[in-house]
Amino acid sequence: DAGVIQSPRHEVTEMGQEVTLRCKPISGHNSLFWYRQTMMRGLELLIYFNNNVPIDDSGMPEDRFSAKMPNASFSTLKIQPSEPRDSAVYFCASSPSTGTSTDTQYFGPGTRLTVL
Amino acid sequence: GDSVTQMEGPVTLSEEAFLTINCTYTATGYPSLFWYVQYPGEGLQLLLKATKADDKGSNKGFEATYRKETTSFHLEKGSVQVSDSAVYFCALTGNTGGFKTIFGAGTRLFVKA
Repeated sequence: DAGVIQSPRHEVTEMGQEVTLRCKPISGHNSLFWYRQTMMRGLELLIYFNNNVPIDDSGMPEDRFSAKMPNASFSTLKIQPSEPRDSAVYFCASSPSTGTSTDTQYFGPGTRLTVL
Repeated sequence: GDSVTQMEGPVTLSEEAFLTINCTYTATGYPSLFWYVQYPGEGLQLLLKATKADDKGSNKGFEATYRKETTSFHLEKGSVQVSDSAVYFCALTGNTGGFKTIFGAGTRLFVKA
């Protein structure tokens, strides 16, 4: 099993540019999560999907952030326009979503974003 | 709402020392409890979990017991190794609200040879 795949692994961009992060969840997993990790704020849940439908996007910082899941094997997180304070490591995670609280989340390796 | 509180780090230990990382939680009902570990440059991975009161989760020499009476899930290991150096996250998933997982702030562990 390849695990959760994220791309790119590193992204350096300039303020104002659009950034798109990509995630391929583990096959058969029904839930997908996007997190952001910084030293100051720790691990923050941005949004999660169940069966490709956004369930909770209350963690999305502002309208500059958007996320889509067009099918069960692909999701994107887009930042437009990007700002230096968006610099962080962004993780995607998936889980089998058995409909109980016992599900384990499987994390990807993360995308380290630097906005200059 | 649900929350998780874990001890602040960093925790610095010598090899073969005993480890305890405290974790307490607030939740309605009976959540599932987890410890995740993050090694440098990697994503989080499950270390162990417990899904009901008095359950003990264990893996790689680490243990944690789900204590409902004290709302705690402390992580312990009898003899740490340098390779255990990482950040440890306590987390819970409640039985309501779409099974959202709440993570603690993380505790960084350094183990010296």
